[in-house]
Amino acid sequence: AQTVTQSQPEMSVQEAETVTLSCTYDTSESDYYLFWYKQPPSRQMILVIRQEAYKQQNATENRFSVNFQKAAKSFSLKISDSQLGDAAMYFCAYRSYNFNKFYFGSGTKLNVKP
Amino acid sequence: GAVVSQHPSRVICKSGTSVKIECRSLDFQATTMFWYRQFPKQSLMLMATSNEGSKATYEQGVEKDKFLINHASLTLSTLTVTSAHPEDSSFYICSASPGGLNNEQFFGPGTRLTVL
Repeated sequence: AQTVTQSQPEMSVQEAETVTLSCTYDTSESDYYLFWYKQPPSRQMILVIRQEAYKQQNATENRFSVNFQKAAKSFSLKISDSQLGDAAMYFCAYRSYNFNKFYFGSGTKLNVKP
Repeated sequence: GAVVSQHPSRVICKSGTSVKIECRSLDFQATTMFWYRQFPKQSLMLMATSNEGSKATYEQGVEKDKFLINHASLTLSTLTVTSAHPEDSSFYICSASPGGLNNEQFFGPGTRLTVL
């Protein structure tokens, strides 16, 4: 089974600064999808950004961008101009191309300091 | 679009009783629905995958007779926790997937179950 590792249980960033959350994964597949989800205190899972493995270009969504390194099996999330509302748990997730099943990392709690 | 609801949002029950949690896709048809369990400050643990009209596929270690899953239609899946015990207290989250070319899962808001 695929494994997803988030090595940072907790991170802190100053408001307006930039922070990078790490994620690595293990797979033998060549085609797959990667996701970052945000879970605020309300517990509702919110999709932040997604990346298709066959695309070399890193995905970007406004202040959120990823650094996808396929050979290294690394998928980090960069949050620019951090805002207080970005404070949440962030989960990295892997989905096989052919199999609709998600594997989640253990999560990183992001604190944003005013 | 792509809204998933769960009901109830919170439930408290006595030990030994059964509890049913509903998961509905409100504006799309979900060929597949997933049920997760999340302990405090932990990640989501997949319990089972259900496809409309067929039996659910349970993950290793999940008791199928304890956690009954029914996916009777393309918009509704239910999870019934039978003979609940305090150790079943947890946060249960469902997600729904339209399938096909859409690779996303859309998550419900979760249900907090407390067994006394």
